[in-house]
Amino acid sequence: SQQGEEDPQALSIQEGENATMNCSYKTSINNLQWYRQNSGRGLVHLILIRSNEREKHSGRLRVTLDTSKKSSSLLITASRAADTASYFCATRRFGNEKLTFGTGTRLTIIP
Amino acid sequence: GAGVSQSPRYKVTKRGQDVALRCDPISGHVSLYWYRQALGQGPEFLTYFNYEAQQDKSGLPNDRFSAERPEGSISTLTIQRTEQRDSAMYRCASSLEAWGSGANVLTFGAGSRLTVL
Repeated sequence: SQQGEEDPQALSIQEGENATMNCSYKTSINNLQWYRQNSGRGLVHLILIRSNEREKHSGRLRVTLDTSKKSSSLLITASRAADTASYFCATRRFGNEKLTFGTGTRLTIIP
Repeated sequence: GAGVSQSPRYKVTKRGQDVALRCDPISGHVSLYWYRQALGQGPEFLTYFNYEAQQDKSGLPNDRFSAERPEGSISTLTIQRTEQRDSAMYRCASSLEAWGSGANVLTFGAGSRLTVL
């Protein structure tokens, strides 16, 4: 079963614009992670945010976490064609090593 | 190895046959996960190993699915008496962190695409 749901399911923006995608989940978590998947290839880890953190940055990525609303957002600034991919959030509960993935957001960057 | 290696990359089999999918994790990685991913969907958890111990197999769909990691390194996912609904991409991932570390970042392999005719 999928714990998280990403919103929107698909997003198309012009190169250079910022892209924001959201993730909602159902149960309390230990950490939340974002992964990228290019065109059917393997998933690549982008960033991890712990439940006691509210915001984290990595290069052009900014992740926020609101545990009261059980939601997270991923912001990609100054988008590039190479950012075209599917983005998945994944959550880990306390006391459980299972990482549960959401349904994904398909991001298309238009050159 | 440098990354997580899965074989075969593609497997076409007839309904009723058994298949074995292999995963060779990154050297030294303690944790190993199996996921299944349908087209257009997120990965669905199947099972997890901490060293050679299968800690969680709650995601295995039924008793036709089994997995092992006998020496705490290479793992095999076996599907017996395959059915068409088993067709999917099967992905393996490994993590340096051990059970209970709380920070398990996964490195995924390229996957094994299974097609059951």
